[in-house]
Amino acid sequence: RKEVEQDPGPFNVPEGATVAFNCTYSNSASQSFFWYRQDCRKEPKLLMSVYSSGNEDGRFTAQLNRASQYISLLIRDSKLSDSATYLCVVFLQSGNKLVFGAGTILRVKS
Amino acid sequence: GAVVSQHPSWVICKSGTSVKIECRSLDFQATTMFWYRQFPKQSLMLMATSNEGSKATYEQGVEKDKFLINHASLTLSTLTVTSAHPEDSSFYICSAADSGSFSYEQYFGPGTRLTVT
Repeated sequence: RKEVEQDPGPFNVPEGATVAFNCTYSNSASQSFFWYRQDCRKEPKLLMSVYSSGNEDGRFTAQLNRASQYISLLIRDSKLSDSATYLCVVFLQSGNKLVFGAGTILRVKS
Repeated sequence: GAVVSQHPSWVICKSGTSVKIECRSLDFQATTMFWYRQFPKQSLMLMATSNEGSKATYEQGVEKDKFLINHASLTLSTLTVTSAHPEDSSFYICSAADSGSFSYEQYFGPGTRLTVT
C-alpha cells in the first residue's frame, strides 16, 4: 500500500465549478500535512498547510481527519489558472521527510 | 524570501559521463537539504537527505556510490550522478529546510532536467 494515495484524475471541470480532491495516508504517526501545486515541468509549490480544524484560503479549503487518515482539498469557483497537478503531502517527523502522493490532475476549461 | 536555486536547469550528457547539480539556498541557511527525483507522470521520490557537514542519508534502493551528495556549507548541496545512463534521465529537484525556522516547510528549487543519451 502506498504511503499517500490520491485519485490520479484527471478532473476535467468547467470554469466556475467546485471540485474536491481526496487523499489518504497510511502512517498514523504523520505529523503535518500539506497540499502542493505542481505545474507541468516545474517544481512543486506549497498551496496550503492542512489542520484538523480545517483551514481556508480564499477559494481553497483544506480538511484533515486524523481518525480516518484522510485529507481533502476543495476548490470553489475554479479558474483556468487552477489547472495543475495537486499533490497531497505528509511530513514524517520520525524520518524528517516529506512523502508525496502521486498527484491529482485538474484541468479547468472555458 | 526563502529562495532556492538549482544549476543547471537542464543538461544533456552522454552515457558514462558524470553530471553535477548544485542546489543553493539564497537567503537562508539550510542545515538539511533534500534531493528528489521525478519520472514523467510520477510523483516526487525522495532520494536522499543531505546534512551539512556529515554524510547524506539515502533512501532504500538509491545507490550512494552512484549519486554522490556533498553538503559542505549551510547554503550549498551538490548531487553528482556518476557514470550516468539513459535510465537516469529524470527531473531532479532539491529542497531546503530553513535552519532558523520551526516550520517543517521545505522550499523547492526549480529543478534540473537531465537527459542521458
